[in-house]
Amino acid sequence: GESVGLHLPTLSVQEGDNSIINCAYSNSASDYFIWYKQESGKGPQFIIDIRSNMDKRQGQRVTVLLNKTVKHLSLQIAATQPGDSAVYFCAEIPNDYKLSFGAGTTVTVRA
Amino acid sequence: DTGVSQDPRHKITKRGQNVTFRCDPISEHNRLYWYRQTLGQGPEFLTYFQNEAQLEKSRLLSNRFSAERPKGSFSTLEIQRTEQGDSAMYLCASSLGGQINQPQHFGDGTRLSIL
Repeated sequence: GESVGLHLPTLSVQEGDNSIINCAYSNSASDYFIWYKQESGKGPQFIIDIRSNMDKRQGQRVTVLLNKTVKHLSLQIAATQPGDSAVYFCAEIPNDYKLSFGAGTTVTVRA
Repeated sequence: DTGVSQDPRHKITKRGQNVTFRCDPISEHNRLYWYRQTLGQGPEFLTYFQNEAQLEKSRLLSNRFSAERPKGSFSTLEIQRTEQGDSAMYLCASSLGGQINQPQHFGDGTRLSIL
């Protein structure tokens, strides 16, 4: 399940496949970025973050890539599981405190 | 559970009534934030506190909205004379301030429905 380079509002992925979720951010001065997962009826849950002096960071089953040249972030989820079904948001911090959220991507995992 | 706690989870009220929501942050976090989220959108920043000081409130939606954090621990968000357009999810988040690039952790929100 991929949407290379483009942000899509929905993504359907087969269980066990890898997912790639894309996000474009707006402020070239932003120096910190976060991916959140939001399940229905719950608040956003922190997944992984990355600072602007990095271009890649890995977590457990997730990898975030940052391309500052084109102001683009992506989140890769390895071996997608049913519990990964949710809305995913990227967020940038252009100053010290205010998160600015991108358009979310709804991920649906097919069994 | 030592995460961010919000109360109530749901609030239904008639237009024109006042409502107040409470947020208890993660205990060691000195920064607290309020956001609003409408259906299909990402959260929108409203205001934030560092300890008891409200450092940014220009994004509060109107003068009907106010927030307090009197002792630098829990916070309340009040909406006076509610309107239909106030129906939304109100989210609270907290983080460690004074240290660069600390993630904000969110509660599960208060869903407000105006009849």
